[in-house]
Amino acid sequence: QKEVEQNSGPLSVPEGAIASLNCTYSDRGSQSFFWYRQYSGKSPELIMFIYSNGDKEDGRFTAQLNKASQYVSLLIRDSQPSDSATYLCAVNNISFQKLVFGTGTRLLVSP
Amino acid sequence: DVKVTQSSRYLVKRTGEKVFLECVQDMDHENMFWYRQDPGLGLRLIYFSYDVKMKEKGDIPEGYSVSREKKERFSLILESASTNQTSMYLCASSFPGLSGGYTFGSGTRLTVV
Repeated sequence: QKEVEQNSGPLSVPEGAIASLNCTYSDRGSQSFFWYRQYSGKSPELIMFIYSNGDKEDGRFTAQLNKASQYVSLLIRDSQPSDSATYLCAVNNISFQKLVFGTGTRLLVSP
Repeated sequence: DVKVTQSSRYLVKRTGEKVFLECVQDMDHENMFWYRQDPGLGLRLIYFSYDVKMKEKGDIPEGYSVSREKKERFSLILESASTNQTSMYLCASSFPGLSGGYTFGSGTRLTVV
């Protein structure tokens, strides 16, 4: 079992819709969770992080964490073609001070 | 305001060459990391460092070494470049702790011919 799992996609949504990106993790000791966006040929950039159960909102983005189910998700409201990218989920166990990354979900937003 | 700088965006090297990839961060981060990223394989950790002059092997250290003589600089060395080391190399840095997300450099696309 991979430590951090994501559906590779592509996830296709029309412009204006809500995109829902999901991630599961295997280490119950994981304590903080990160979402990165990576455009083709570019390096990942941090969108959000969350470490408490529940929802955390930042503009059009909402991160959701359920530690009991070992599940974290990213919702993108009012999706735009510029949101088309690969989204990486990353998990931090601070004992190790390093992130473990999923392989990413490719999101395609069509006009 | 670039915060993690990788010395080269594109590099082409010959098989057997010794290759140096440089990374500098200006955020006073303790932690620094080198990853490679290949299609379908995601980000794979090569080496990381929690402090000056210390280093830890990641998941795929074979064929690589690193140097961290100053807090802000973390160098990746390919001792004898091979074609299977053709990849995108990403440097990152972070503070330790719950909010210790990485800041990535812009990446170096290395081609070994």
